[in-house]
Amino acid sequence: AQSVTQLDSQVPVFEEAPVELRCNYSSSVSVYLFWYVQYPNQGLQLLLKYLSGSTLVKGINGFEAEFNKSQTSFHLRKPSVHISDTAEYFCAVLPYGDSSYKLIFGSGTRLLVRP
Amino acid sequence: NAGVTQTPKFQVLKTGQSMTLQCAQDMNHEYMSWYRQDPGMGLRLIHYSVGAGITDQGEVPNGYNVSRSTTEDFPLRLLSAAPSQTSVYFCASSYRDYADTQYFGPGTRLTVL
Repeated sequence: AQSVTQLDSQVPVFEEAPVELRCNYSSSVSVYLFWYVQYPNQGLQLLLKYLSGSTLVKGINGFEAEFNKSQTSFHLRKPSVHISDTAEYFCAVLPYGDSSYKLIFGSGTRLLVRP
Repeated sequence: NAGVTQTPKFQVLKTGQSMTLQCAQDMNHEYMSWYRQDPGMGLRLIHYSVGAGITDQGEVPNGYNVSRSTTEDFPLRLLSAAPSQTSVYFCASSYRDYADTQYFGPGTRLTVL
């Protein structure tokens, strides 16, 4: 069975500081990887995804993530956060190569940016 | 282009009542999914559809029914509401499959008393 772990339920950070949101996964088959963001009282929207190619993926709003196959991680980073980045961030994996071809979401990390 | 729309935004039910959550998309997407979001648990897949007339169960299907008679609409039916179904429900669609970007609706906040 596949699973996604987001170890940090909440990450407080000051404005203009760098941030890293951690995501680790477990899977017996290869996976595609995603980060989604949910702003307050809204649905989720895609930040970035890794399907193949370069392991460093750039997304919207200055976010990037790096796929590390040996450590089964896909951490999300931003060098300088803004107040408007306050939101909940979800890592998700999509296992492929077997019948369980459905998105599996982590429990989410709430990023709280303080002035 | 409205994207993914959901109605209602809020709903309060009594235990045992039934209701239908509506979801529609105008992007001609094949894949549509229903998720529920509970605190500390992320999103869990309830049911999904890979095209009109084709539906299948996700991770937590019990107590819910779906149908997909058109490409645009994917309603979720609660057969006999229970307090455990208190949650926020999101509908999502994607063009061909889950590797494509999923577009989410604004959600329905359901409370079952």
